Amino acid sequence: DVKVTQSSRYLVKRTGEKVFLECVQDMDHENMFWYRQDPGLGLRLIYFSYDVKMKEKGDIPEGYSVSREKKERFSLILESASTNQTSMYLCASSGAYAINSNQPQHFGDGTRLSIL
Amino acid sequence: AQSVAQPEDQVNVAEGNPLTVKCTYSVSGNPYLFWYVQYPNRGLQFLLKYITGDNLVKGSYGFEAEFNKSQTSFHLKKPSALVSDSALYFCAVRPWMDSSYKLIFGSGTRLLVRP
Repeated sequence: DVKVTQSSRYLVKRTGEKVFLECVQDMDHENMFWYRQDPGLGLRLIYFSYDVKMKEKGDIPEGYSVSREKKERFSLILESASTNQTSMYLCASSGAYAINSNQPQHFGDGTRLSIL
Repeated sequence: AQSVAQPEDQVNVAEGNPLTVKCTYSVSGNPYLFWYVQYPNRGLQFLLKYITGDNLVKGSYGFEAEFNKSQTSFHLKKPSALVSDSALYFCAVRPWMDSSYKLIFGSGTRLLVRP
């Protein structure tokens, strides 16, 4: 089975801090994704990566950056955390080299981040 | 604009009764369609997908979904609901010929199965 592991289940940080969320997958997947989940809004894509050192902006990239130095690891960075970034963050990965493929995305269990 | 709509925030059904969770989509071109389930404090789990072919797709845990091209719908169904099916369900779509990588999610429908 595919395993996507997010380093923290719960995280509490203060406004203005730089926050790192880590995600690791064990299936040698090319594609990795970061979403945030908010009630009534579903999942919104923040950033996407289809290869090492490659990244693409999603729908809501403002205030975030990402890093993919190794194929199995995709980090989400909140440059200066703000209260409106309090949310559930979900990491996902998918196989198949073609970006536009029919392979499902596999999700981690999420990090519930609170910014005080 | 491409979108996915799940018109019901919550669906309530008695255990043993059939259930339907609705999903309609608006995309250019033919879509790939997916259903995911999310249990409390967990990530999303893949249930099933429609790529092409038979309009009735069978997936995990006894769930199935019916693709209707004319109504642009992809409703999730199960003949007999279990209390353990209570969870949050997400429909998602990816345009087939679109170069976009994005998976477009609906807002989710909470399914509550009462004993």
